[in-house]
Amino acid sequence: QSVLTQPPSVSAAPGQKVTISCSGSSSNIGDNYVSWYQQLPGTAPKLLIYENTKRPSGIPDRFSGSKSGTSATLGITGLQTGDEADYYCGTWDNSLSAGVFGGGTKLTVL
Amino acid sequence: QVTLKESGPVLVKPTETLTLTCTVSGFSLSNARMGVAWIRQPPGKALEWLAHFFSNGEKSYSTSLKTRLTISKDTSKSQVVLTMTNMDPVDTATYYCARLIGGYSGYYYFDYWGQGTLVTVSS
Repeated sequence: QSVLTQPPSVSAAPGQKVTISCSGSSSNIGDNYVSWYQQLPGTAPKLLIYENTKRPSGIPDRFSGSKSGTSATLGITGLQTGDEADYYCGTWDNSLSAGVFGGGTKLTVL
Repeated sequence: QVTLKESGPVLVKPTETLTLTCTVSGFSLSNARMGVAWIRQPPGKALEWLAHFFSNGEKSYSTSLKTRLTISKDTSKSQVVLTMTNMDPVDTATYYCARLIGGYSGYYYFDYWGQGTLVTVSS
């Protein structure tokens, strides 16, 4: 059971927009920045979003992040088949004194 | 260019101790507000944070695995080592090391990851 809660799967057609939610608590998302990771099949995770909304160099602006209270959201617009991957949210948990991840969301581009 | 590479055994027997080494390049383990974390992923399952070691010497461990884990670093060799005792088949997973940014004011994220190493626990 992951500390952060994500939907197991989401899907949308190419060119459409999708959002992935990440729900936590006051000890993690509520008090710390959230990051998002993309894991393409058979590869290591890659940083997509950090500090809630920022994109590392090379990440297209089709990917966006937001946070409100104890929840965060990853948005992806202009979906491409190459976006099919597992997406994870992560942050620090002050109560656990540990890093925490969501259970991951599998994105299918129909 | 920042790289991290995990190394260690691919197969360990139940009850044995696993030792994994993360060799980094492109940054120093003494850089402020940086560190290295270990994260694992059982086949078909989610990421699980295991431990971290910051440049200031601060360490932290997964609550559920704390008694079995030890993280250490050798700055001169640019290496961070994770040991996990009393291995069990449920510990079969891909183990990743990742560069960690944060440890202050709510900042905590992994900006570079190693390719991962699959460790199988079986007799």
